[in-house]
Amino acid sequence: SQKIEQNSEALNIQEGKTATLTCNYTNYSPAYLQWYRQDPGRGPVFLLLIRENEKEKRKERLKVTFDTTLKQSLFHITASQPADSATYLCARANNAGNMLTFGGGTRLMVKP
Amino acid sequence: EAGVAQSPRYKIIEKRQSVAFWCNPISGHATLYWYQQILGQGPKLLIQFQNNGVVDDSQLPKDRFSAERLKGVDSTLKIQPAKLEDSAVYLCASSSTGGDKTQYFGPGTRLLVL
Repeated sequence: SQKIEQNSEALNIQEGKTATLTCNYTNYSPAYLQWYRQDPGRGPVFLLLIRENEKEKRKERLKVTFDTTLKQSLFHITASQPADSATYLCARANNAGNMLTFGGGTRLMVKP
Repeated sequence: EAGVAQSPRYKIIEKRQSVAFWCNPISGHATLYWYQQILGQGPKLLIQFQNNGVVDDSQLPKDRFSAERLKGVDSTLKIQPAKLEDSAVYLCASSSTGGDKTQYFGPGTRLLVL
């Protein structure tokens, strides 16, 4: 079965530092991975999509990498701010690319 | 652009009772998803519609859960009868059928079964 795993422990970092979150998957590499942000009491919000043939994708202070050898995606937030505190979800696409399987999410806490 | 609307936002019922959730997707989005999110876990897909047809419902507990999207727009998800383990947030999401793979989520309905 296709599994996708994220570190269930919360990540605590100091404001201004770079936060790095990890997403590992099993079996074949998906056509793409997506990262979402979820705040308490709200639905997930899409952040970035990275395709299998892309090694890196950037958007403002966010950077995502996709390593098909390690079967891993890393999500970086540079110059982190307390407002970045949230749960971040990684999701993999199925073969057809039309369905997502979500990881359990990692909670990020940025302290001022 | 209006987002995905869901109602109610909260619902408390006793086990063995029935409950229904409603979702109105973003206008023009052909694909609609229902997810179950248990506290501390990621969303789990229950059912996916393309217009008014079911694309995947392999993880829907069909003995108690049902969903419909009769006119290819709004959708309802029903649980009958509810069990304690159904306590969760039920999220609705929608996406277009074009190249954009982004799913847009509603705020969810928080269900507590006592």
